Amino acid sequence: QKEVEQNSGPLSVPEGAIASLNCTYSDRGSQSFFWYRQYSGKSPELIMFIYSNGDKEDGRFTAQLNKASQYVSLLIRDSQPSDSATYLCAVGGMEYGNKLVFGAGTILRVKS
Amino acid sequence: DVKVTQSSRYLVKRTGEKVFLECVQDMDHENMFWYRQDPGLGLRLIYFSYDVKMKEKGDIPEGYSVSREKKERFSLILESASTNQTSMYLCASSRDRSNQPQHFGDGTRLSIL
Repeated sequence: QKEVEQNSGPLSVPEGAIASLNCTYSDRGSQSFFWYRQYSGKSPELIMFIYSNGDKEDGRFTAQLNKASQYVSLLIRDSQPSDSATYLCAVGGMEYGNKLVFGAGTILRVKS
Repeated sequence: DVKVTQSSRYLVKRTGEKVFLECVQDMDHENMFWYRQDPGLGLRLIYFSYDVKMKEKGDIPEGYSVSREKKERFSLILESASTNQTSMYLCASSRDRSNQPQHFGDGTRLSIL
Protein backbone atom coordinates (compact mmCIF):
# COMPACT_ATOMS: atom_id res chain seq x y z
CA GLN A 1 0.00 0.00 0.00
CA LYS A 2 1.57 3.25 -1.14
CA GLU A 3 1.13 6.00 1.42
CA VAL A 4 1.69 9.72 1.48
CA GLU A 5 1.71 11.50 4.83
CA GLN A 6 1.39 15.17 5.64
CA ASN A 7 1.09 17.00 8.93
CA SER A 8 -2.45 18.34 8.97
CA GLY A 9 -1.39 21.59 10.66
CA PRO A 10 -2.36 24.30 10.83
CA LEU A 11 1.07 25.71 10.15
CA SER A 12 1.05 29.39 11.09
CA VAL A 13 3.69 31.78 9.77
CA PRO A 14 3.91 35.58 9.83
CA GLU A 15 3.63 37.50 6.60
CA GLY A 16 6.98 37.72 4.84
CA ALA A 17 8.38 34.57 6.45
CA ILE A 18 9.31 31.29 4.78
CA ALA A 19 6.70 28.56 5.05
CA SER A 20 8.05 25.02 4.91
CA LEU A 21 5.66 22.18 4.14
CA ASN A 22 6.72 18.55 4.19
CA CYS A 23 5.38 15.34 2.75
CA THR A 24 6.69 11.81 3.35
CA TYR A 25 6.08 8.88 1.02
CA SER A 26 6.38 5.17 1.60
CA ASP A 27 7.36 3.80 -1.82
CA ARG A 28 11.06 4.16 -2.48
CA GLY A 29 10.43 3.78 -6.21
CA SER A 30 8.35 6.99 -6.39
CA GLN A 31 9.43 9.22 -9.26
CA SER A 32 7.20 12.28 -9.40
CA PHE A 33 6.03 14.69 -6.74
CA PHE A 34 3.25 17.21 -7.09
CA TRP A 35 2.11 20.10 -4.95
CA TYR A 36 -1.44 21.39 -5.14
CA ARG A 37 -2.97 24.39 -3.40
CA GLN A 38 -6.60 24.23 -2.36
CA TYR A 39 -8.51 27.21 -1.06
CA SER A 40 -11.48 26.54 1.19
CA GLY A 41 -14.45 25.37 -0.88
CA LYS A 42 -12.42 25.26 -4.09
CA SER A 43 -10.73 22.48 -6.04
CA PRO A 44 -7.00 21.63 -5.96
CA GLU A 45 -4.80 23.75 -8.22
CA LEU A 46 -1.44 22.45 -9.40
CA ILE A 47 1.39 24.69 -8.15
CA MET A 48 4.45 22.78 -9.26
CA PHE A 49 5.95 19.35 -9.60
CA ILE A 50 9.36 17.74 -9.64
CA TYR A 51 10.79 14.46 -10.70
CA SER A 52 13.27 12.35 -8.83
CA ASN A 53 16.16 13.91 -10.72
CA GLY A 54 16.12 17.31 -9.08
CA ASP A 55 14.62 20.25 -7.23
CA LYS A 56 12.80 23.16 -8.82
CA GLU A 57 12.27 26.82 -8.09
CA ASP A 58 9.37 28.81 -9.52
CA GLY A 59 9.02 32.35 -8.28
CA ARG A 60 8.44 32.24 -4.52
CA PHE A 61 7.99 28.47 -4.52
CA THR A 62 10.71 25.83 -4.27
CA ALA A 63 10.16 22.08 -4.26
CA GLN A 64 12.95 19.93 -2.84
CA LEU A 65 13.30 16.18 -2.72
CA ASN A 66 15.18 14.17 -0.11
CA LYS A 67 15.29 10.69 -1.59
CA ALA A 68 17.28 9.14 1.22
CA SER A 69 14.72 10.15 3.82
CA GLN A 70 11.77 9.84 1.44
CA TYR A 71 10.24 13.24 1.84
CA VAL A 72 9.52 16.20 -0.39
CA SER A 73 9.29 19.80 0.76
CA LEU A 74 7.56 22.90 -0.53
CA LEU A 75 9.11 26.19 0.54
CA ILE A 76 7.15 29.39 0.12
CA ARG A 77 9.27 32.51 0.45
CA ASP A 78 7.87 35.91 1.41
CA SER A 79 4.62 34.29 2.49
CA GLN A 80 1.48 36.34 1.85
CA PRO A 81 -1.97 36.10 3.44
CA SER A 82 -3.20 34.95 0.02
CA ASP A 83 -1.02 31.84 0.44
CA SER A 84 -3.32 30.70 3.26
CA ALA A 85 -4.77 27.45 1.99
CA THR A 86 -4.48 23.68 2.26
CA TYR A 87 -1.49 22.25 0.42
CA LEU A 88 -1.82 18.73 -0.96
CA CYS A 89 1.14 16.58 -1.85
CA ALA A 90 0.76 13.84 -4.47
CA VAL A 91 3.19 11.15 -5.54
CA GLY A 92 3.47 9.08 -8.71
CA GLY A 93 5.75 6.64 -10.44
CA MET A 94 5.92 3.67 -12.76
CA GLU A 95 4.51 1.41 -10.08
CA TYR A 96 1.51 3.72 -9.64
CA GLY A 97 0.37 3.31 -13.22
CA ASN A 98 -1.34 6.50 -14.31
CA LYS A 99 -2.62 7.26 -10.84
CA LEU A 100 -1.33 9.52 -8.10
CA VAL A 101 -1.50 8.99 -4.35
CA PHE A 102 -2.51 12.11 -2.45
CA GLY A 103 -1.73 13.15 1.07
CA ALA A 104 -4.51 14.58 3.22
CA GLY A 105 -3.01 18.06 3.11
CA THR A 106 -1.45 20.66 5.40
CA ILE A 107 -3.34 23.80 6.34
CA LEU A 108 -1.18 26.91 6.05
CA ARG A 109 -2.14 30.18 7.71
CA VAL A 110 -0.17 33.31 6.94
CA LYS A 111 -0.84 36.06 9.48
CA SER A 112 -0.52 39.72 8.54
CA ASP B 1 -4.32 25.62 -20.23
CA VAL B 2 -6.17 22.43 -19.36
CA LYS B 3 -9.85 22.97 -18.83
CA VAL B 4 -11.84 20.42 -16.86
CA THR B 5 -15.49 21.34 -16.58
CA GLN B 6 -17.95 19.81 -14.15
CA SER B 7 -21.58 20.29 -14.96
CA SER B 8 -22.75 21.61 -11.59
CA ARG B 9 -21.08 23.44 -8.71
CA TYR B 10 -23.88 22.64 -6.28
CA LEU B 11 -26.46 19.90 -6.43
CA VAL B 12 -29.19 18.82 -4.02
CA LYS B 13 -30.87 15.44 -4.47
CA ARG B 14 -33.07 13.15 -2.46
CA THR B 15 -32.31 9.73 -1.00
CA GLY B 16 -32.89 6.97 -3.52
CA GLU B 17 -32.57 9.17 -6.60
CA LYS B 18 -30.25 8.26 -9.44
CA VAL B 19 -27.71 11.07 -9.75
CA PHE B 20 -25.47 11.91 -12.69
CA LEU B 21 -22.33 14.02 -12.38
CA GLU B 22 -20.75 15.06 -15.64
CA CYS B 23 -17.17 16.01 -16.42
CA VAL B 24 -15.68 17.23 -19.69
CA GLN B 25 -12.03 17.99 -20.48
CA ASP B 26 -10.68 19.79 -23.53
CA MET B 27 -7.07 18.60 -23.64
CA ASP B 28 -7.53 15.22 -25.29
CA HIS B 29 -6.36 13.50 -22.12
CA GLU B 30 -6.65 9.75 -22.02
CA ASN B 31 -7.02 9.44 -18.26
CA MET B 32 -9.94 10.71 -16.24
CA PHE B 33 -10.66 10.33 -12.55
CA TRP B 34 -13.46 10.78 -10.07
CA TYR B 35 -12.66 11.56 -6.43
CA ARG B 36 -14.65 12.49 -3.42
CA GLN B 37 -13.25 14.73 -0.73
CA ASP B 38 -14.49 14.77 2.85
CA PRO B 39 -13.09 16.67 5.84
CA GLY B 40 -10.36 14.68 7.54
CA LEU B 41 -10.37 11.96 4.87
CA GLY B 42 -8.61 13.71 2.03
CA LEU B 43 -9.10 12.78 -1.60
CA ARG B 44 -10.40 9.27 -2.21
CA LEU B 45 -10.44 7.75 -5.69
CA ILE B 46 -13.81 6.38 -6.74
CA TYR B 47 -13.17 5.35 -10.35
CA PHE B 48 -10.57 5.86 -13.01
CA SER B 49 -10.79 5.57 -16.79
CA TYR B 50 -7.78 5.18 -19.07
CA ASP B 51 -9.62 5.03 -22.39
CA VAL B 52 -13.06 5.21 -23.92
CA LYS B 53 -15.29 2.50 -22.44
CA MET B 54 -12.47 1.42 -20.12
CA LYS B 55 -12.70 1.84 -16.37
CA GLU B 56 -11.02 0.69 -13.22
CA LYS B 57 -12.29 0.71 -9.65
CA GLY B 58 -10.63 3.02 -7.21
CA ASP B 59 -10.56 2.78 -3.45
CA ILE B 60 -14.26 3.39 -2.78
CA PRO B 61 -16.37 2.28 -5.79
CA GLU B 62 -19.33 0.92 -3.84
CA GLY B 63 -22.55 2.70 -4.66
CA TYR B 64 -21.12 4.34 -7.76
CA SER B 65 -20.73 3.54 -11.43
CA VAL B 66 -19.14 5.44 -14.31
CA SER B 67 -19.53 5.87 -18.03
CA ARG B 68 -17.03 6.96 -20.63
CA GLU B 69 -18.59 6.89 -24.08
CA LYS B 70 -16.41 9.68 -25.49
CA LYS B 71 -12.83 10.54 -24.74
CA GLU B 72 -13.59 13.99 -23.41
CA ARG B 73 -16.48 13.05 -21.14
CA PHE B 74 -16.54 11.00 -17.94
CA SER B 75 -19.74 10.57 -15.95
CA LEU B 76 -20.17 9.47 -12.36
CA ILE B 77 -23.46 7.82 -11.48
CA LEU B 78 -24.89 7.35 -8.02
CA GLU B 79 -27.25 4.45 -8.60
CA SER B 80 -29.42 5.11 -5.54
CA ALA B 81 -28.23 8.14 -3.63
CA SER B 82 -27.77 7.87 0.11
CA THR B 83 -27.04 10.51 2.73
CA ASN B 84 -23.49 9.18 3.24
CA GLN B 85 -22.74 10.19 -0.35
CA THR B 86 -23.07 13.84 0.55
CA SER B 87 -19.64 15.15 -0.36
CA MET B 88 -17.48 17.26 -2.65
CA TYR B 89 -16.91 15.39 -5.91
CA LEU B 90 -13.87 16.23 -7.99
CA CYS B 91 -13.10 15.20 -11.54
CA ALA B 92 -9.54 15.23 -12.87
CA SER B 93 -7.74 14.35 -16.09
CA SER B 94 -4.17 13.59 -17.13
CA ARG B 95 -2.14 12.43 -20.08
CA ASP B 96 -1.65 8.75 -20.67
CA ARG B 97 1.69 8.00 -19.16
CA SER B 98 3.00 7.69 -15.64
CA ASN B 99 4.30 10.69 -13.69
CA GLN B 100 1.81 13.12 -15.21
CA PRO B 101 0.02 15.80 -13.18
CA GLN B 102 -3.71 15.63 -12.78
CA HIS B 103 -5.81 18.69 -13.51
CA PHE B 104 -8.99 19.20 -11.54
CA GLY B 105 -12.37 20.63 -12.33
CA ASP B 106 -14.06 23.09 -9.98
CA GLY B 107 -15.85 20.33 -8.10
CA THR B 108 -19.49 19.54 -7.39
CA ARG B 109 -20.77 19.90 -3.86
CA LEU B 110 -23.49 17.29 -3.66
CA SER B 111 -26.02 17.15 -0.84
CA ILE B 112 -28.29 14.15 -0.45
CA LEU B 113 -31.34 14.86 1.71
